[in-house]
Amino acid sequence: ETGVTQSPTHLIKTRGQQVTLRCSSQSGHNTVSWYQQALGQGPQFIFQYYREEENGRGNFPPRFSGLQFPNYSSELNVNALELDDSALYLCASSPPGTSYSEQFFGPGTRLTVL
Amino acid sequence: RKEVEQDPGPFNVPEGATVAFNCTYSNSASQSFFWYRQDCRKEPKLLMSVYSSGNEDGRFTAQLNRASQYISLLIRDSKLSDSATYLCVVNDGTSYGKLTFGQGTILTVHP
Repeated sequence: ETGVTQSPTHLIKTRGQQVTLRCSSQSGHNTVSWYQQALGQGPQFIFQYYREEENGRGNFPPRFSGLQFPNYSSELNVNALELDDSALYLCASSPPGTSYSEQFFGPGTRLTVL
Repeated sequence: RKEVEQDPGPFNVPEGATVAFNCTYSNSASQSFFWYRQDCRKEPKLLMSVYSSGNEDGRFTAQLNRASQYISLLIRDSKLSDSATYLCVVNDGTSYGKLTFGQGTILTVHP
């Protein structure tokens, strides 16, 4: 069974640029959630995708957007990057019918904004 | 007030020690509760779910008090390999199952 994978591993961007991060969910998992983890903090929920639609959203501005594809993989897009967007971005997947269960995390993409 | 609060530590303990972590949550509608472990620069991994009756997995014991909105994790006979950040995590009961994380408690076990 293949776990959650994310790409790229690391990324350096400058303020104002746009970035796209990618996630492949664990086999059989149809729900993908994205989290932002700043240094020294716990992960914060950005949004969740289910059946190719945004299914819930945390307290993040509209410049954070996403997509989910028919194969359940997902993208996180961030426009107009700010210095505070520097963080570890984690993707997590969960299987069908398990809204209250644990989620399985990928290794993350470490984004640095200069 | 933060939705999930933990003492950030750090906790520095010798091998063999018993250490306890505490966590409180503010949303009384929360449905499920977890402890995740996160090693340095790695992703969080589920350590254990937490049930109202309390549950144990080897050296780890988790307790939940819904009335007090309080969660705990006890680690007995600490090993060097237990050194990590321990994250208290709450599923907020929304239909989509958002996870809310505490700040994390750093544990270092030394020889």
